[in-house]
Amino acid sequence: ETGVTQTPRHLVMGMTNKKSLKCEQHLGHNAMYWYKQSAKKPLELMFVYNFKEQTENNSVPSRFSPECPNSSHLFLHLHTLQPEDSALYLCASSQGLADTQYFGPGTRLTVL
Amino acid sequence: AQSVTQLGSHVSVSAGALVLLRCNYSSSVPPYLFWYVQYPNQGLQLLLKYTSAATLVKGINGFEAEFKKSETSFHLTKPSAHMSDAAEYFCAVSGTGGTSYGKLTFGQGTILTVHP
Repeated sequence: ETGVTQTPRHLVMGMTNKKSLKCEQHLGHNAMYWYKQSAKKPLELMFVYNFKEQTENNSVPSRFSPECPNSSHLFLHLHTLQPEDSALYLCASSQGLADTQYFGPGTRLTVL
Repeated sequence: AQSVTQLGSHVSVSAGALVLLRCNYSSSVPPYLFWYVQYPNQGLQLLLKYTSAATLVKGINGFEAEFKKSETSFHLTKPSAHMSDAAEYFCAVSGTGGTSYGKLTFGQGTILTVHP
């Protein structure tokens, strides 16, 4: 595998389910990001991790819980989501915080 | 604070015609500027970036963009459109210091349609 990978690519869940999104980067980068892409809205930065430490939480509801066990892996744990949380969730990584970000293919989430 | 405005949510051109996608930015610190492209059901792919070197930046697939500080613009151009250029294009700004350091702010996106 090369670049940034995300699993699953598609996820359908009910509002009471608990699920997790996984992101893995094979670029040797130190920073990782979660973005939300909704229809007709700009990409929204959700979380930033740098050397496994969270450096940014962009006022994200607590039903989204990130986890970064090491610089190569990033998770987004989901619980009691709302239908308006349906979106494409994109992961990205960069060498450092000011460096170019490289994106994964995204997970298309549908909340019923 | 930083922001990006992409003028025109949809642009339609004929194959072989000039492509011009407009982007204006606002930033309180010297910016880094990016253009990304997104094909259907895929993530974002970097087309090109400006990081305070040459103001005319060349990217992949024949695209280029020019940084104009006086106009706070970073428009994306390609001399001759190809059918495979049909996609959504995003302009983004990142601050080089202060609270916007390392944070990408994206524009709304421009969907490019290429007609035969």
